[in-house]
Amino acid sequence: NAGVTQTPKFQVLKTGQSMTLQCAQDMNHNSMYWYRQDPGMGLRLIYYSASEGTTDKGEVPNGYNVSRLNKREFSLRLESAAPSQTSVYFCASSAQSEGEQFFGPGTRLTVL
Amino acid sequence: AQSVTQLDSQVPVFEEAPVELRCNYSSSVSVYLFWYVQYPNQGLQLLLKYLSGSTLVKGINGFEAEFNKSQTSFHLRKPSVHISDTAEYFCAVSSIQGAQKLVFGQGTRLTINP
Repeated sequence: NAGVTQTPKFQVLKTGQSMTLQCAQDMNHNSMYWYRQDPGMGLRLIYYSASEGTTDKGEVPNGYNVSRLNKREFSLRLESAAPSQTSVYFCASSAQSEGEQFFGPGTRLTVL
Repeated sequence: AQSVTQLDSQVPVFEEAPVELRCNYSSSVSVYLFWYVQYPNQGLQLLLKYLSGSTLVKGINGFEAEFNKSQTSFHLRKPSVHISDTAEYFCAVSSIQGAQKLVFGQGTRLTINP
């Protein structure tokens, strides 16, 4: 039981490049989330998926797209990376019954 | 909408001393309350949560928190800290209805000095 896994762990991009962050969970959770963490700002929700087949914007969705590929997987795509997207990205999942979310180890992204 | 304010960005304490990390929230609906811990270069791990019932909740590693509805606070406490408690601590709330998105505070960095 691996919980929530994320790939890659680290990534360096040049401005304008695109990439996809992958997330998978093996806990049979309905809901999945993408956050970004920046110093002094806590974690901010980018997008979430309340259930398979649905996605919704969070607090900071601009510049990102998501895909809920199936119940297990939820990917985050940066179409044209910008330096302001330099951050640590966390994926999380929850059973939606009591609100507790389980987090992956994070992806540290640097955009030059 | 909800918001969370963690009143201290950094808290230095000596080993074996007590500590309190403060958290205030605002919400127009009923919420669940959480404290998460993040050790260096790791993801977030749940310390404890308040869903309903007793306002004093106990979590892992000897931490506890008290929900105060009138003061809209959920302060985290530990009577005696260890070096291993050095980490960043996040308070978070979510609505009890809907998609239960978490809203986080800015975080409090707890540093334990020997």
